Amino acid sequence: SSELTQDPAVSVALGQTVRITCQGDSLRSYYASWYQQKPGQAPVLVIYVKNNRPSGIPDRFSGSSSGNTASLTITGAQAEDEADYYCHSRDSSGNYWVFGGGTKLTVL
Amino acid sequence: QVQLQESGPGLVKPSETLSLTCTVSGGSISNYYWNWIRQPPGKGLEWIGYIYNSGSTNYNPSLKSRVTISVDTSKNQFSLKLSSVIATDTAVYYCARGSVDSGTGAGWFDPWGQGTLVTVSS
Repeated sequence: SSELTQDPAVSVALGQTVRITCQGDSLRSYYASWYQQKPGQAPVLVIYVKNNRPSGIPDRFSGSSSGNTASLTITGAQAEDEADYYCHSRDSSGNYWVFGGGTKLTVL
Repeated sequence: QVQLQESGPGLVKPSETLSLTCTVSGGSISNYYWNWIRQPPGKGLEWIGYIYNSGSTNYNPSLKSRVTISVDTSKNQFSLKLSSVIATDTAVYYCARGSVDSGTGAGWFDPWGQGTLVTVSS
């Protein structure tokens, strides 16, 4: 089992707002990064160091953190946002990297 | 713009050693964390390990006894060796550049290679 826990699946109506969460003890000390993965493709970084977006990532993607929970929020979800989303941070020792189990986002 | 490309055999026999190479183009291989990450079919991502600054390595404890990551700076490449493979090592293997924010210790992977499927089967 992963040290970072994500809900396996989340759904959102087109144009609505959805929050994908990631829980873990290490998140009290370290920010998470977030990745979007579409079928047959490599993961793509969408949020890093709490709420930074790489060039080319739409501003409808945002990140936040509180206590042991990191969140990825998509404001005004689009059909092309349907994908698997993974959080990533350090493990509880702070020495190794770990991923959450992933959340499958369905846009209805 | 930095790009990464994995290469290596797509089929490895059980008990043998999986060997993959990642070629980095568009930038220097120095001063970043160069990572291997894998994803079994239909499953999530697993970090394997990294090499940093052409020498320092760090491996996932669950794989540490079987993993070696090395770098060839003259070719702008880094490599993965995973020994004594079994069927559960079947996965898409990705290479990715890692960065760490010095102020917070937070890290991220960007960019990623396209991935290469390695199947362990006799």
